[in-house]
Amino acid sequence: SQQGEEDPQALSIQEGENATMNCSYKTSINNLQWYRQNSGRGLVHLILIRSNEREKHSGRLRVTLDTSKKSSSLLITASRAADTASYFCATASGTYKYIFGTGTRLKVLA
Amino acid sequence: DTAVSQTPKYLVTQMGNDKSIKCEQNLGHDTMYWYKQDSKKFLKIMFSYNNKELIINETVPNRFSPKSPDKAHLNLHINSLELGDSAVYFCASSPYEESEAFFGQGTRLTVV
Repeated sequence: SQQGEEDPQALSIQEGENATMNCSYKTSINNLQWYRQNSGRGLVHLILIRSNEREKHSGRLRVTLDTSKKSSSLLITASRAADTASYFCATASGTYKYIFGTGTRLKVLA
Repeated sequence: DTAVSQTPKYLVTQMGNDKSIKCEQNLGHDTMYWYKQDSKKFLKIMFSYNNKELIINETVPNRFSPKSPDKAHLNLHINSLELGDSAVYFCASSPYEESEAFFGQGTRLTVV
């Protein structure tokens, strides 16, 4: 399967703490993206990092990419209850498709 | 205004029936996709279209037939529904290949 893997599968933290989730993928990529999915909803794009970038920030989000290890991490700082959702990485390799990871379910406790 | 809209949101039907899911995007994007999300939340590409042309058919049974009447629409027709087709189906669009994708809210299909 081409599907990427994410860990942890599930993460439960207190409001105000940081949440880190990791993504590993299998093929060479042009970019890697992170998406959020709230329960029963569609996916919402969070951030895109290109293969020649190592780190990117957007608000409380920080993404790193290590192409030599075929891995990425998403850090959410100062988490809020509203961050409770599933988070997916997706890789793009010039093939008109995004290959999604298995997802991390994040629960932020108020 | 909803950027990518799918109808219906819920679909419950019996085995053997034929059903369609409609998708429309008002973003002016060239590329549209159908993804299937199974009960374990795994998301898998089914089809991608660029400028109404089929680009990817990811080993989907030919009971599934996408149709793109124009760049803004990508519909999915499913014949002879099976229990294993139960899943959430997402339509998405992007301005070009590999850019940020915009997803619809999903259609939860239940085959009984």
